Amino acid sequence: DAGVTQSPTHLIKTRGQQVTLRCSPKSGHDTVSWYQQALGQGPQFIFQYYEEEERQRGNFPDRFSGHQFPNYSSELNVNALLLGDSALYLCASSPNTLGRYSPLHFGNGTRLTVT
Amino acid sequence: QKEVEQDPGPLSVPEGAIVSLNCTYSNSAFQYFMWYRQYSRKGPELLMYTYSSGNKEDGRFTAQVDKSSKYISLFIRDSQPSDSATYLCAMSRYGQNFVFGPGTRLSVLP
Repeated sequence: DAGVTQSPTHLIKTRGQQVTLRCSPKSGHDTVSWYQQALGQGPQFIFQYYEEEERQRGNFPDRFSGHQFPNYSSELNVNALLLGDSALYLCASSPNTLGRYSPLHFGNGTRLTVT
Repeated sequence: QKEVEQDPGPLSVPEGAIVSLNCTYSNSAFQYFMWYRQYSRKGPELLMYTYSSGNKEDGRFTAQVDKSSKYISLFIRDSQPSDSATYLCAMSRYGQNFVFGPGTRLSVLP
């Protein structure tokens, strides 16, 4: 049973560029959340996708956008990269529980470095 | 004041010790409390989940929630070198969109 898979594992980009990160959820999960984890910090919620729509969003600028596909996989896009966007980007999947608690299953993340 | 605070450590203990990890929070609306373990270069994995106040035990791990003090704890008994990792507390109001603490780095020395 494959867990959450993310690609690529590492990425180096230049300021001002755009980046796309990809995530395949755990089998049986239909909800995908994205988190940003800066070095030495806990993960911060970016947004959550369900039924191909952004369901909730954290305190991140519009430069951060996403997409969910019919097979539940998801992409995170970041435009106009800043040095401060350097972080580990984590994808987490969960089964839909109509807004109630559902445990998050995390992938191993994509390490983004912006130079 | 951050919404969730956690001593970053590092915390070093000898093998077999009892470890106590703690978080404080400011939002009294939080109802769901989780502890995650994160090994280096890996994603977080869920260790314990507690709803509202009370204790929960799972093997060597015990989670405690004191909502009146806005304080949660994770105890690890008979700690092992394999427990060396960063421990993240996380909490949520509705069970979604968790707010994480910054994590405590734990080293268990053989």
